[in-house]
Amino acid sequence: QKEVEQNSGPLSVPEGAIASLNCTYSDRGSQSFFWYRQYSGKSPELIMSIYSNGDKEDGRFTAQLNKASQYVSLLIRDSQPSDSATYLCAVNPIVFNAGGTSYGKLTFGQGTILTVHP
Amino acid sequence: DGGITQSPKYLFRKEGQNVTLSCEQNLNHDAMYWYRQDPGQGLRLIYYSQIVNDFQKGDIAEGYSVSREKKESFPLTVTSAQKNPTAFYLCASRLTGLGYTFGSGTRLTVV
Repeated sequence: QKEVEQNSGPLSVPEGAIASLNCTYSDRGSQSFFWYRQYSGKSPELIMSIYSNGDKEDGRFTAQLNKASQYVSLLIRDSQPSDSATYLCAVNPIVFNAGGTSYGKLTFGQGTILTVHP
Repeated sequence: DGGITQSPKYLFRKEGQNVTLSCEQNLNHDAMYWYRQDPGQGLRLIYYSQIVNDFQKGDIAEGYSVSREKKESFPLTVTSAQKNPTAFYLCASRLTGLGYTFGSGTRLTVV
């Protein structure tokens, strides 16, 4: 089982619709969760972070976290063609090392390609 | 403006040659990371460093080396032992608990 799995794409939605992107993770102790947007040929850009159960809204974006179900999602309302990109889910699992816990590195999903067509 | 700078943007490597990718940040972040991205394979961790003069191997460290002599700098050397180095290389930094800030990437091609 992959540590972070995203719903397989590509996902195609019409302009103005809601795009729903999903992500599940295997490490129950994970503490922080992130969504990145990556345009073709560019580097990833952080668009949302969420740390506690529930919803977090930022403009047209809403991140939803359910730690009991080990599930995090990203909703994009009023989708625009400029939202067309690959969306990466990233999770910060707890890593135990000799010196105690370490929150050092993120684990990324494979990404979901979103296309918003006019 | 604070940020993370990768150079060069494009790099060409001949067979048997070592090349070094630069990564510099002025965000005062403690941790820095190198990822490799291949089409359809997502981001794979090469090396990471949480403090100066210390670094750890990631999932695909073979054929790569790093140094962390200054907090601001985390260069990656792709050695001749890396047999398939053609990829998009991404450097990132972060404060503990927060998300990564990525550089703009270096696209390496073997010629």
